[in-house]
Amino acid sequence: GQQVMQIPQYQHVQEGEDFTTYCNSSTTLSNIQWYKQRPGGHPVFLIQLVKSGEVKKQKRLTFQFGEAKKNSSLHITATQTTDVGTYFCAADNYGQNFVFGPGTRLSVLP
Amino acid sequence: GAGVSQSPSNKVTEKGKDVELRCDPISGHTALYWYRQSLGQGLEFLIYFQGNSAPDKSGLPSDRFSAERTGGSVSTLTIQRTQQEDSAVYLCASSFAPPRGGRPEQYFGPGTRLTVT
Repeated sequence: GQQVMQIPQYQHVQEGEDFTTYCNSSTTLSNIQWYKQRPGGHPVFLIQLVKSGEVKKQKRLTFQFGEAKKNSSLHITATQTTDVGTYFCAADNYGQNFVFGPGTRLSVLP
Repeated sequence: GAGVSQSPSNKVTEKGKDVELRCDPISGHTALYWYRQSLGQGLEFLIYFQGNSAPDKSGLPSDRFSAERTGGSVSTLTIQRTQQEDSAVYLCASSFAPPRGGRPEQYFGPGTRLTVT
């Protein structure tokens, strides 16, 4: 079956440093979504990527979909304490499966 | 407008008892998902309802778990003969109908924290 991995599992950064999390699928995807879950909260949708090689930006966040549509990345520039939380990718296999990755937990030290 | 609501927010039950968890999706959303999240872990898919189609039950961990969705709106997740390993946060999410080739964003409820003692 489809497997979705995220690396790293945990990341501790100093405020102001950059952060990147990677999402890798064992199968080619139709689209990928990213969600953020604050500590004690529920997942909140951030973005969806559909096209091969697509890059989307939201302020300090940059999302990228790989050319082969099997991997994706989320990059945060100059992290802030408000970025703390767990970032999940969710991989859609052309409607057959929709699988969340295990998440990357980000902590930001002030 | 109102988001996805879930009740109860917390449930403590004794091992062997049955529990029912409720989800009220956003009005107009035809798709509804149940997930389970253990402490510090990712989201485990349980079941998916889409309109009047037969639900995708492929994620239910055992026959002690069942879910129904009445009138295409409210959903109830039932766990029979609860076990300690059932302790987790149960999250419900809803979305609009998926367009062809796409997957709309999911809106999550606050979850129900289930503790089985």
